[in-house]
Amino acid sequence: DAGVIQSPRHEVTEMGQEVTLRCKPISGHNSLFWYRQTMMRGLELLIYFNNNVPIDDSGMPEDRFSAKMPNASFSTLKIQPSEPRDSAVYFCASTLAGAGNTIYFGEGSWLTVV
Amino acid sequence: GENVEQHPSTLSVQEGDSAVIKCTYSDSASNYFPWYKQELGKRPQLIIDIRSNVGEKKDQRIAVTLNKTAKHFSLHITETQPEDSAVYFCAASRPGGSYIPTFGRGTSLIVHP
Repeated sequence: DAGVIQSPRHEVTEMGQEVTLRCKPISGHNSLFWYRQTMMRGLELLIYFNNNVPIDDSGMPEDRFSAKMPNASFSTLKIQPSEPRDSAVYFCASTLAGAGNTIYFGEGSWLTVV
Repeated sequence: GENVEQHPSTLSVQEGDSAVIKCTYSDSASNYFPWYKQELGKRPQLIIDIRSNVGEKKDQRIAVTLNKTAKHFSLHITETQPEDSAVYFCAASRPGGSYIPTFGRGTSLIVHP
């Protein structure tokens, strides 16, 4: 398996623009996570899907952020409009839900908003 | 919900020394404790994990210990090497279909040659 695949790997965009980050989880995994990582706040869980259904989105910072999982093999995280403080590494991760299943992270999407 | 505290935030050692990173958790129902290593510019990757039915687990130079009574667990790296330099994250989770591990803030380990 190719692992969790994220795109784009790097994106630089101007403030106010829409940003869409994409993720393909590992085949057979039924849980998907979006994390944001910054020096100041560490690794933050933004949203968690189980069987394509959002279970916990309490980490989504504000209404500018939205996430979807239309099917078991694809998810998007959208920021509209983007702001400089959104600059971070966004990781997608997946696992087979249950006690003690390893979470596998994608390579991350490095976002810079100028 | 679960709260995971990780210490120290930064750890600097000489090559060959041992390194210990400690985590505490708050939810007594947590029973799975993985450790992730994140090298600079890369993704976090699982290096070792422990479940609540064991007190210690070892894999070559790394080991993890768990004290469920005190609700803390630790990562031990012996004979450190420069390639061990990375950020290490501990995590804790409880059983159930809604598996959401809670991560610690991370420890930046620097091994000086």
